[in-house]
Amino acid sequence: KAGVTQTPRYLIKTRGQQVTLSCSPISGHRSVSWYQQTPGQGLQFLFEYFSETQRNKGNFPGRFSGRQFSNSRSEMNVSTLELGDSALYLCASSTSSGGRTDTQYFGPGTRLTVL
Amino acid sequence: AQSVTQLGSHVSVSEGALVLLRCNYSSSVPPYLFWYVQYPNQGLQLLLKYTSAATLVKGINGFEAEFKKSETSFHLTKPSAHMSDAAEYFCAVSVGGAQKLVFGQGTRLTINP
Repeated sequence: KAGVTQTPRYLIKTRGQQVTLSCSPISGHRSVSWYQQTPGQGLQFLFEYFSETQRNKGNFPGRFSGRQFSNSRSEMNVSTLELGDSALYLCASSTSSGGRTDTQYFGPGTRLTVL
Repeated sequence: AQSVTQLGSHVSVSEGALVLLRCNYSSSVPPYLFWYVQYPNQGLQLLLKYTSAATLVKGINGFEAEFKKSETSFHLTKPSAHMSDAAEYFCAVSVGGAQKLVFGQGTRLTINP
């Protein structure tokens, strides 16, 4: 089975721009979660989507948004980029059949640099 | 709210020596606990997970971890370090069926030849 894929792997943007990152989960996985990784704050949960609905949300401003499509692929969008948004953005997928915590499998990440 | 503390941001051991990476968690309900490893410029790879089935959990690459409720700990060990174990290790907790992981700050493991 193919793993979680993320595109693009690297992005360079300037302040004020917006960016869209894409994640394709493992086949059969319906839950997709997003995390931000920075040297200062470590790994922080952004949000989780399941069956096209946001099911959990972390403590990030509204500039960070996401969505999930009927084929479980997910995108996250960051508007009005700030320097502090420079980070590795990780996507993870799981079966999440409900009522228990299933293992999350991570993609390689998208490295976003904001200049 | 749950949280995770990893004691020691950097750990250095000699090749062949015991590896011990410490993780303490805080949770008001029985947690699910995970250890992930991250190699440079890569995502996270699952090493092992605790889901209440057994307190001693064996994972990949010779790693294991023991869940100790009385100490709220889930330390990761490997009897004999290998150069390929050099990486960053993250302990994470999740509760209540949520697909939301709360991570520790990570421990960078260095292996000396």
